[in-house]
Amino acid sequence: GNSVTQMEGPVTLSEEAFLTINCTYTATGYPSLFWYVQYPGEGLQLLLKATKADDKGSNKGFEATYRKETTSFHLEKGSVQVSDSAVYFCALNAGGTSYGKLTFGQGTILTVHP
Amino acid sequence: DAEITQSPRHKITETGRQVTLACHQTWNHNNMFWYRQDLGHGLRLIHYSYGVQDTNKGEVSDGYSVSRSNTEDLPLTLESAASSQTSVYFCASSDLGAGVFGVDTDTQYFGPGTRLTVL
Repeated sequence: GNSVTQMEGPVTLSEEAFLTINCTYTATGYPSLFWYVQYPGEGLQLLLKATKADDKGSNKGFEATYRKETTSFHLEKGSVQVSDSAVYFCALNAGGTSYGKLTFGQGTILTVHP
Repeated sequence: DAEITQSPRHKITETGRQVTLACHQTWNHNNMFWYRQDLGHGLRLIHYSYGVQDTNKGEVSDGYSVSRSNTEDLPLTLESAASSQTSVYFCASSDLGAGVFGVDTDTQYFGPGTRLTVL
């Protein structure tokens, strides 16, 4: 079946540090890949996505590249801010018989200190 | 602006009671989903619908039901609430986007969540 594995958290960084949150997936075919962010007390918001191999999604200084050869979609940001503190979810949409459905990783809590 | 809303935002109930959580979207999306969020499990799919009168079971559907009588609403009912159903519940909606190599690329839009406590 389809699955998403994220790095264990929580992750604690100082402001302006470099961020990497690892995400690997298992899926048949050619899934679309997503990063969602959940700020405290809110629902999930789409952060970025990529729909085919070697695509790079980017938004708000965050980037992730769809690597089919390593089945990965790692999230990176060069300089984090306190306002980036949130829970980050990697997800995939496998399409086909899984049409429209997202499979989520367990989430990674990020805390950024001033 | 289009949006997706959930009500109530917080609910405390007792074991054995029937509870209904509301979800309403104004995106005019065909697809609607219910998830529960639990620590260490991420989000798990409970039920989903691809349109009016269509409902399907997700991976954790036992003890839950949904109905879809119009495009905008997908209420989630807990038939007989159990303590194991204490969780945060999220509703989401999506529509089919442009496909590449036959892969669906629809983005899901989430509501703010309902925190349910079953005592």
